[in-house]
Amino acid sequence: AQTVTQSQPEMSVQEAETVTLSCTYDTSESDYYLFWYKQPPSRQMILVIRQEAYKQQNATENRFSVNFQKAAKSFSLKISDSQLGDAAMYFCAYRSKRSYGGATNKLIFGTGTLLAVQP
Amino acid sequence: GAGVSQSPRYKVAKRGQDVALRCDPISGHVSLFWYQQALGQGPEFLTYFQNEAQLDKSGLPSDRFFAERPEGSVSTLKIQRTQQEDSAVYLCASSLALTGYNEQFFGPGTRLTVL
Repeated sequence: AQTVTQSQPEMSVQEAETVTLSCTYDTSESDYYLFWYKQPPSRQMILVIRQEAYKQQNATENRFSVNFQKAAKSFSLKISDSQLGDAAMYFCAYRSKRSYGGATNKLIFGTGTLLAVQP
Repeated sequence: GAGVSQSPRYKVAKRGQDVALRCDPISGHVSLFWYQQALGQGPEFLTYFQNEAQLDKSGLPSDRFFAERPEGSVSTLKIQRTQQEDSAVYLCASSLALTGYNEQFFGPGTRLTVL
């Protein structure tokens, strides 16, 4: 079974600075998706960025980028030029690409990192 | 609608009561997922529908939990004889299809509190 671990329950960053959130995962599969989701107090889960395991190039989306280390099973999120609106809970998630055997392709989440942005 | 909607947003139940939580997925989305998010935790998978067929219910914690999607659109998660450990946010997500990459779009969730 796959597992996702986020070892930083809380992080804090100054506005305009850069912060990195850590995530490790465990799987025996060779191809899969990894995601970072943002959950503000409104509870709406918003996709921040995704990475396909077979792609060696790290994904980027504006101020958000990842450091994907497949061999180490590590998937960290870097937020550059942090803004007050970035304050939220961030979840790392795994999804299998396997579609045979009735696989559901459900998301498997870590326990989250609460990010505070200081003005 | 523009996104996934869920109702009610908040539900308070006395222990032993039955509750029903509703999810309206994005129109045309084939796949529908239910997740349970306990306080301070990440969401955990409960069950999955492809159209009206419930293909995976491996995450349902007990036989008190029941989900349906009779016409392949709106889904209802029912919890019978609620217990305090059922207190959580229940999230619904939908995606366009099963195969390939299809983003799961989440609703705002229903916060259930069992007294």
